[in-house]
Amino acid sequence: ETGVTQTPRHLVMGMTNKKSLKCEQHLGHNAMYWYKQSAKKPLELMFVYNFKEQTENNSVPSRFSPECPNSSHLFLHLHTLQPEDSALYLCASSPSEAATNEKLFFGSGTQLSVL
Amino acid sequence: AQSVAQPEDQVNVAEGNPLTVKCTYSVSGNPYLFWYVQYPNRGLQFLLKYITGDNLVKGSYGFEAEFNKSQTSFHLKKPSALVSDSALYFCATNTGFQKLVFGTGTRLLVSP
Repeated sequence: ETGVTQTPRHLVMGMTNKKSLKCEQHLGHNAMYWYKQSAKKPLELMFVYNFKEQTENNSVPSRFSPECPNSSHLFLHLHTLQPEDSALYLCASSPSEAATNEKLFFGSGTQLSVL
Repeated sequence: AQSVAQPEDQVNVAEGNPLTVKCTYSVSGNPYLFWYVQYPNRGLQFLLKYITGDNLVKGSYGFEAEFNKSQTSFHLKKPSALVSDSALYFCATNTGFQKLVFGTGTRLLVSP
């Protein structure tokens, strides 16, 4: 295991629902990330948090709302999603501001299906 | 813009044979290059990285990658493939601080 835990593993929701994805890391890292993985597309960076502060929003639609209450937890709140938002959502962490060459530790992801 | 490309959607190799998964990069300046692997129903796992120094980088599970500046390539290699190496492999590079950009992935299928 990588030390990054995501729940739930699978989620099916309607377009009018509100749900949240949770990520927790036990590695003592200070940076956390949300990535979106769609079939046959490169992974897309969505958000980056450093020491609980959002430092990157990669032009993500407002129907995705991240929250980082502390350096160990990261949430992605979902509301009024579209079918094209169906994907695997991956959380990752890293030691933080060390450098651009540090590696990421990924969770197993939440497979989201929007009906 | 910094980017990587993986020209093969899938690579098939027999167990015991050498394997190569290709990656080319388009990076200004000195590139930071990475390989990650994703097993079924799992997140990505770091395999190795090239920052500077020796062109041959050794990583986890017996994998290595060769940095070739003249060909702008960073191919992943293993001398003898195992069935358990079957997975999705991603090449990546940095586009800025904490911004990794990934290739589209190459599925490796190792047959017994």
